[in-house]
Amino acid sequence: EIVLTQSPATLSLSPGERATLSCRASQSVSSYLAWYQQKPGQAPRLLIYDASNRATGIPARFSGSGSGTDFTLTISSLEPEDFAVYYCQQRSNWLPDTFGQGTKLEIK
Amino acid sequence: QVQLVESGGGLVKPGGSLRLSCAASGFTFSDYYMSWIRQAPGKGLEWVSYISSSSSYTNYADSVKGRFTISRDNAKNSLYLQMNSLRAEDTAVYYCARKMISADAFDIWGQGTMVTVSS
Repeated sequence: EIVLTQSPATLSLSPGERATLSCRASQSVSSYLAWYQQKPGQAPRLLIYDASNRATGIPARFSGSGSGTDFTLTISSLEPEDFAVYYCQQRSNWLPDTFGQGTKLEIK
Repeated sequence: QVQLVESGGGLVKPGGSLRLSCAASGFTFSDYYMSWIRQAPGKGLEWVSYISSSSSYTNYADSVKGRFTISRDNAKNSLYLQMNSLRAEDTAVYYCARKMISADAFDIWGQGTMVTVSS
């Protein structure tokens, strides 16, 4: 099983600031990495797929980068509605899909 | 609109069984791989199982292998998860999710159904 490690566990920032979230894989996942946002009491929402492609309807302030084992989700200027938990997810051939443990983005 | 609606959750005793359902609408269900993903209270997301569009392929997390069975009925636009030999650690919100055709990501999620395993 491929393990995804997200850092930091919690990120405290203010609206308007830039957020940088990290996801590291225990072995290469090529570009097969996605990012999700989850707010309390809601299902996750897809933000980024294939490491850098924004999903339908996702604002341009969200961007993803990386390949292999190191990936980054960047939110260029935080809006109040962006404070949530973020998960990365990978898929690999013949192995289970896995999720990272999550990064909580909280208001400072 | 594109929608997934889960049902079938509830309270069950350890060792018991439960069958979850997921009703799909607004898209051609038979074109898509589908998955079940769960989230224990206060915890992160855990992929549980997937099934291919024609039911030819299935896969399971080690934690549920041999106890859970995923299936689908494309004529009824429905996905199922039969859960047997339930344990306390299976307590979670269970989401059904659609996997994109063009990428390995889950683009549509249901609202989830809660399963509680307790005596």
